[in-house]
Amino acid sequence: DTEVTQTPKHLVMGMTNKKSLKCEQHMGHRAMYWYKQKAKKPPELMFVYSYEKLSINESVPSRFSPECPNSSLLNLHLHALQPEDSALYLCASSQEEVAGGQFFGPGTRLTVL
Amino acid sequence: GENVEQHPSTLSVQEGDSAVIKCTYSDSASNYFPWYKQELGKRPQLIIDIRSNVGEKKDQRIAVTLNKTAKHFSLHITETQPEDSAVYFCAAIIYGNKLVFGAGTILRVKS
Repeated sequence: DTEVTQTPKHLVMGMTNKKSLKCEQHMGHRAMYWYKQKAKKPPELMFVYSYEKLSINESVPSRFSPECPNSSLLNLHLHALQPEDSALYLCASSQEEVAGGQFFGPGTRLTVL
Repeated sequence: GENVEQHPSTLSVQEGDSAVIKCTYSDSASNYFPWYKQELGKRPQLIIDIRSNVGEKKDQRIAVTLNKTAKHFSLHITETQPEDSAVYFCAAIIYGNKLVFGAGTILRVKS
């Protein structure tokens, strides 16, 4: 399996809801990432997990809470989001040992009402 | 600070012509430079990358060049085809795993 998968593909939530985004990879990669991408903009890094430990948090608001249950799975828990948080949320993975290519999942299109 | 500048923001070429996209970076410690292609509504796809110990890399119609002294790198696409139309992002990796992206180039290949 050489893909990164993400669920759900689309998500609509209210500002008081709690939801989770899920990401999975079976490439044996040891680093996983969450990015946020607004329309016509490049992906912006949110979090990096290396060997299942959070290594980078790009000053993301606490209403976004990442979790790495194991080396293949990455979750992003969402709570009390704002309409400006509406975006495409992309997961990526890469081999940890080498500064190599990051492979992206298809993303979750999130709309906050 | 970390910064990657990308030019041009849009590029229109005739099918069969070449396209060149250029990027500059600010962190002299950057050692890995990938290029991503993103079609509308799809994921960014890694198309080619280059490391700091190499000056040029080719993969069929795509090539990337790196000038570490000047801190710039370029993507070259030859014999462009309509399916090359997409947004292209350059990036530089710093601190081992952090990717900083350029603003993107919208490439339109006219048939």
